[in-house]
Amino acid sequence: GIQVEQSPPDLILQEGANSTLRCNFSDSVNNLQWFHQNPWGQLINLFYIPSGTKQNGRLSATTVATERYSLLYISSSQTTDSGVYFCAVPLAYNNNDMRFGAGTRLTVKP
Amino acid sequence: DGGITQSPKYLFRKEGQNVTLSCEQNLNHDAMYWYRQDPGQGLRLIYYSQIVNDFQKGDIAEGYSVSREKKESFPLTVTSAQKNPTAFYLCASSIAGSGAPLHFGNGTRLTVT
Repeated sequence: GIQVEQSPPDLILQEGANSTLRCNFSDSVNNLQWFHQNPWGQLINLFYIPSGTKQNGRLSATTVATERYSLLYISSSQTTDSGVYFCAVPLAYNNNDMRFGAGTRLTVKP
Repeated sequence: DGGITQSPKYLFRKEGQNVTLSCEQNLNHDAMYWYRQDPGQGLRLIYYSQIVNDFQKGDIAEGYSVSREKKESFPLTVTSAQKNPTAFYLCASSIAGSGAPLHFGNGTRLTVT
């Protein structure tokens, strides 16, 4: 099945700094999603981005499907951005079994 | 407000007992999913259902069972056959078809001693 790798595994930032999180996947996908899990365990869908670039406030994401990676950008980070960021892709093309990466744990310090 | 409700938030059971986790959604989504998360790890799919009265096993279905008698409800039973049931369980839903964005409930933390 498809492999999903996220980097870095841990990231510590000072409030106001920018960061880039990466998600590499091993096969073609028609679906890629980024999620934020807050310290209480709640998972929020940030982006559905099988290709191209999307922006939502201070967050943006870019997926280059042909090169099998996606990037999540966080600008002017805030302490509320802390948590774990996951990317997920389908097990197989056109499949609803989503495979999650191990996540990037982000800590933003005041 | 539309959303996914999981209950209870915390659940404690003795080893050897079956336990059922509730998941209800009012988003009118056809597809529903159960994931398991262990500390410091990503999510793994237990079961998913695309339509009422039908469901498929995910990677780690052994020791779990589900039912989908109503569109809104997808309960998960953790049976005594599950070797390591202590975990964080997340329910999700999406519209029908592949590639649809997943929406998650707030999860149930199950502790079995």
